[in-house]
Amino acid sequence: EAQVTQNPRYLITVTGKKLTVTCSQNMNHEYMSWYRQDPGLGLRQIYYSMNVEVTDKGDVPEGYKVSRKEKRNFPLILESPSPNQTSLYFCASSLGGLEQFFGPGTRLTVL
Amino acid sequence: QKEVEQDPGPLSVPEGAIVSLNCTYSNSAFQYFMWYRQYSRKGPELLMYTYSSGNKEDGRFTAQVDKSSKYISLFIRDSQPSDSATYLCAMSAVSGGSNYKLTFGKGTLLTVNP
Repeated sequence: EAQVTQNPRYLITVTGKKLTVTCSQNMNHEYMSWYRQDPGLGLRQIYYSMNVEVTDKGDVPEGYKVSRKEKRNFPLILESPSPNQTSLYFCASSLGGLEQFFGPGTRLTVL
Repeated sequence: QKEVEQDPGPLSVPEGAIVSLNCTYSNSAFQYFMWYRQYSRKGPELLMYTYSSGNKEDGRFTAQVDKSSKYISLFIRDSQPSDSATYLCAMSAVSGGSNYKLTFGKGTLLTVNP
């Protein structure tokens, strides 16, 4: 089944404790992206990757890092999480167009 | 002025009603227009995708784009309780070879009552 998977789905952590949210797609898509969804603000892009080893900032990259060492994986790294990063995170992928497929989301709470 | 404006609702209709969902935008560079449906606790899923102005129909769903008015619509005919979800409009100015960033509206929560 073609899909984007994210892990973990739910995470509660404390300020400053480094964490990684994984994202994997099995559709051989070149383009991958991370969004965060917040009430009243909608979905906003954090980082994106056009292909392996090619990443760039979206609209709200502060406090996040990404890497793209393999085509299928695009992990999101929070080196020192803060409460304002409490949010619902979505990974998305696309073959090379605008029809993006979204993962199921990761709900992160930073205390 | 926000790039994309969408009435958050909530919108509640009886089963079988015609539903109209709308977004306005300010960036005249937007060329690609999409509607996503998001069920509670799920990721957005692509419903409709149109390029530039015009209409596109897919079953009970019709998407309309009026670039001159910077206004897009999604119509749902014969609405069903299974259509109850948040509907997100999304737009992009990309023509290829660059960031396929989607700019989203905040979403409209729709409930279809049996």
